[in-house]
Amino acid sequence: GAVVSQHPSRVICKSGTSVKIECRSLDFQATTMFWYRQFPKKSLMLMATSNEGSKATYEQGVEKDKFLINHASLTLSTLTVTSAHPEDSSFYICSARDRIGRGENEQFFGPGTRLTVL
Amino acid sequence: GNSVTQMEGPVTLSEEAFLTINCTYTATGYPSLFWYVQYPGEGLQLLLKATKADDKGSNKGFEATYRKETTSFHLEKGSVQVSDSAVYFCALTNSGGYQKVTFGIGTKLQVIP
Repeated sequence: GAVVSQHPSRVICKSGTSVKIECRSLDFQATTMFWYRQFPKKSLMLMATSNEGSKATYEQGVEKDKFLINHASLTLSTLTVTSAHPEDSSFYICSARDRIGRGENEQFFGPGTRLTVL
Repeated sequence: GNSVTQMEGPVTLSEEAFLTINCTYTATGYPSLFWYVQYPGEGLQLLLKATKADDKGSNKGFEATYRKETTSFHLEKGSVQVSDSAVYFCALTNSGGYQKVTFGIGTKLQVIP
């Protein structure tokens, strides 16, 4: 149980295009999902918190117009990287918390999406 | 604010060696503590956790004890295997609704035969 999937696992796009990454909780409902970015040889940086049915809360320094987050249902959140540039190339990871609170203070992580912008 | 400090590594050990990865934290209140593991090219997997002082989390031969007096949560394993080669992240969350996870920088472990 508590499986989180991400799609796609890898994506390569041209500079200036937009890319959408999906995060799904497969066997539980998640009112809150989190989006992280991982730079090479560095830790995970929280980008934003996605709440079902409301606007995402972005961390300081994260451009909300560039990284669009939509949490349309209790099992799906999407991150769209708009007008991507090579510096947006990174490993993006989502996580989700079970709505019924399974796993005290625990988030379940997706496998990550490797974005490469040419 | 919250912070997690862990040795950056890389740590290189021979198979069957004893492993310790140090982790200390700064947090308000009574955080929950975690160790996550990331295998090459994959996302994070929860390795073990502890939610209150003196709790010991354990899994797959790894263990860590929540030490509030020293604000530490060191990861140990008595005999590492090549398959344990990965990056290990120490992390914490505060109790409460927001539950933002604060990660350490990650420690790369390489186990050689």
